[in-house]
Amino acid sequence: GNSVTQMEGPVTLSEEAFLTINCTYTATGYPSLFWYVQYPGEGLQLLLKATKADDKGSNKGFEATYRKETTSFHLEKGSVQVSDSAVYFCALSDKGYSTLTFGKGTMLLVSP
Amino acid sequence: EAQVTQNPRYLITVTGKKLTVTCSQNMNHEYMSWYRQDPGLGLRQIYYSMNVEVTDKGDVPEGYKVSRKEKRNFPLILESPSPNQTSLYFCASSLSFRTDSYEQYFGPGTRLTVT
Repeated sequence: GNSVTQMEGPVTLSEEAFLTINCTYTATGYPSLFWYVQYPGEGLQLLLKATKADDKGSNKGFEATYRKETTSFHLEKGSVQVSDSAVYFCALSDKGYSTLTFGKGTMLLVSP
Repeated sequence: EAQVTQNPRYLITVTGKKLTVTCSQNMNHEYMSWYRQDPGLGLRQIYYSMNVEVTDKGDVPEGYKVSRKEKRNFPLILESPSPNQTSLYFCASSLSFRTDSYEQYFGPGTRLTVT
């Protein structure tokens, strides 16, 4: 079956530091890949997505590239802000349908 | 404003007392889904619905029921809640089940405690 593996958190960074959150996946076929973000006390919001190999999703300074050869979709940001503190979820959908498989989430804590 | 709403936001109940968590979306979305979020386990899908009167089990359906009588509503029913159903529940919707590239919109969550 499908699965998503994310690095364990929390990830603790100082403001303006570089961020990487690793995500690898297992899926049959060619999934679409997503990063969702959950701010404290809120539901999940889509951060970015990529639907085919070598696609780069980007939003709000965050980027992730769909790497089929390494089955990875690592999230990066060049300079984090305190307001980026949240839980980040990597997810995939397979066979062209909406059902998502999520990773366990990675908490990011950014201090001033 | 396009949104998914859930009620109640917080609920404390006792074992065996039937409850319903409502979910409603105002975006005319075909696809709706329920997830539970537990520490260390991430989000796991309970049930989903591809359209009115069409529902199917997700990864953890035991102890839950759903119905989809109208396109906008997708209530989650716990006929006889047990303490292992204490969790944070999210409803989500998406334009169509038949494509994987549409964004899923999530509700604000319902924190359920079963004692």
